[in-house]
Amino acid sequence: EVQLLESGGGLVQPGGSLRLSCEASGFDFSGYWMAWLRHTPGKGLEWVATVRQDDREKFYVDFVEGRFTVSRDNAKNSLFLQMNSLRVEDTAVYYCAVDRGRSHFDNWGRGVRVTVSS
Amino acid sequence: DIQMTQSPSALSASVGDRVTITCRASQNINTWLAWYQLKPGKAPKFLIYKASTLANGVPTRFSGSGSGTEFTLSITSLEPDDFGTYYCQQYNSHPRTFGQGTTVDIK
Repeated sequence: EVQLLESGGGLVQPGGSLRLSCEASGFDFSGYWMAWLRHTPGKGLEWVATVRQDDREKFYVDFVEGRFTVSRDNAKNSLFLQMNSLRVEDTAVYYCAVDRGRSHFDNWGRGVRVTVSS
Repeated sequence: DIQMTQSPSALSASVGDRVTITCRASQNINTWLAWYQLKPGKAPKFLIYKASTLANGVPTRFSGSGSGTEFTLSITSLEPDDFGTYYCQQYNSHPRTFGQGTTVDIK
């Protein structure tokens, strides 16, 4: 059974940083693109970032480009999202998901809450 | 960016009802469309891809249709587990974008 478990969320002040982690199990993690998405009550779901299997090709939505960095460690079956220069509007539940390569997202974690507030 | 617009934004329905949700794209996306179900505190569930293909394990009471700019998600006989918020997502072009969601709750 595919399992994705996010961690690392919490409360941070504007301008601060957080690093999210996602531990994967139940599938060949190194064989799949992986993604981060987020959900807010106001904007709904948003795709945030995607990383290729070898960690060399990465894509970002424009409003996080230059602030967020996605990475992965295939030896540890783990996906990461380093979030810097956080803004109030980055407040959301963040999900990691299996990305079918610029297509749909077919397995998701339960999400982790990030709150950016002073 | 391609804008995705869902209607209605919310609906109330009873167990056993047929429910239809519409998703419109701001430009032609062929059939590059997926549907998901979200519930608070749970992992989002992937339902449909390529507009009409059910994901593994999704009950056949769910169906998707459409192409171009107009799509529908239908649930033929609503069950208690089907309440939640449904989102469409286009993957015709970067960045991939979602509709604003349709919340289905109990009448």
